[in-house]
Amino acid sequence: NAGVTQTPKFQVLKTGQSMTLQCAQDMNHNSMYWYRQDPGMGLRLIYYSASEGTTDKGEVPNGYNVSRLNKREFSLRLESAAPSQTSVYFCASFGAEGRNYGYTFGSGTRLTVV
Amino acid sequence: AQKITQTQPGMFVQEKEAVTLDCTYDTSDPSYGLFWYKQPSSGEMIFLIYQGSYDQQNATEGRYSLNFQKARKSANLVISASQLGDSAMYFCAMREGPGSNYQLIWGAGTKLIIKP
Repeated sequence: NAGVTQTPKFQVLKTGQSMTLQCAQDMNHNSMYWYRQDPGMGLRLIYYSASEGTTDKGEVPNGYNVSRLNKREFSLRLESAAPSQTSVYFCASFGAEGRNYGYTFGSGTRLTVV
Repeated sequence: AQKITQTQPGMFVQEKEAVTLDCTYDTSDPSYGLFWYKQPSSGEMIFLIYQGSYDQQNATEGRYSLNFQKARKSANLVISASQLGDSAMYFCAMREGPGSNYQLIWGAGTKLIIKP
């Protein structure tokens, strides 16, 4: 089924460890996004990529890096995880011709930093 | 300044009653879109309904309708004949014009609990 695939679904890290969250879409969308969701808050944009080869900071980029490896894949890296990065992370893609008025979300990654 | 405001952190509604979830927005962009998403306890984001700023009619999708009052910058979600399965978090979100790179700006959400 066409959509956005995120891995892993769950992860526990120790403070200072690094990890990469993977995201891939098979809808040929140009735009991809990484959001974080904290309790009692809506999603906040971390980074986005308007097209292959470009990335830009969102509202809360500190402590993260991203790579738009190709049109399909957009990864999010935590170089030195901190407890404040405990959150649920969503990857999304946008295509103007797509269903749901363009947006497709991954199922989320629940990250806990201890 | 908040661009999307959802003033109801939580709501309890009796099953089969209609429910209105409030959303106000702030933008100076004449071209924008408003979305409602449902997030059940399983965590996925489920698209419910969309309203474009130039749409003349209020959007409807089955039991969901969007009460769009452009002058008041309000985009309330109405769920008719609520069901137990409607219990979830509901988020209002806005996309501004192409210059925003199609980012979605989110409200803090409303937790809806349907009572049997």
